[in-house]
Amino acid sequence: ILNVEQSPQSLHVQEGDSTNFTCSFPSSNFYALHWYRWETAKSPEALFVMTLNGDEKKKGRISATLNTKEGYSYLYIKGSQPEDSATYLCAAIYGQNFVFGPGTRLSVLP
Amino acid sequence: ETGVTQSPTHLIKTRGQQVTLRCSSQSGHNTVSWYQQALGQGPQFIFQYYREEENGRGNFPPRFSGLQFPNYSSELNVNALELDDSALYLCASSFRGGNTEAFFGQGTRLTVV
Repeated sequence: ILNVEQSPQSLHVQEGDSTNFTCSFPSSNFYALHWYRWETAKSPEALFVMTLNGDEKKKGRISATLNTKEGYSYLYIKGSQPEDSATYLCAAIYGQNFVFGPGTRLSVLP
Repeated sequence: ETGVTQSPTHLIKTRGQQVTLRCSSQSGHNTVSWYQQALGQGPQFIFQYYREEENGRGNFPPRFSGLQFPNYSSELNVNALELDDSALYLCASSFRGGNTEAFFGQGTRLTVV
């Protein structure tokens, strides 16, 4: 059974702080890594899709990196804002199977 | 706002009953996946359909079944409901393969009593 882990489970930061979280996944037969942001009462929205070892992607204040050999991805948020408060999900893709992590719940305090 | 819609949004069923959940896909997408999210957990993959055929399945029993229609909309059917089936059920549409993002619906909250 494939298991994707995320850490920390939750965190609280002050507005303006930078933060990062981790997604760990089995590297064998890995195909792609997705990050999603899931705000309360909304659908999960895709942030990044990464496939290659060493990939780095950036969208505004949010960026992500991928290490497929050791099986991890980092998500960084620079200068957190209250609107960044959400659950951040990663999903590792093996064949047609999306394996989601349990998510990291971020709360940004004004 | 994605183009994926799910119905109903909330549902209460009795143990042993059967339920059908529906999902309309994003226009142009040919693949739909269903996930179960129990309280406090990440989404668990149930199965995926591509061009009306099951294309992958997670660790769920056969009483979880599905259909995909020619317009790529989809149904999730659960027979003989159990209390542990209470969860949020999400569908996601995408192009086949994992190198493009999936678009999610807002989910159906199923409560089995």
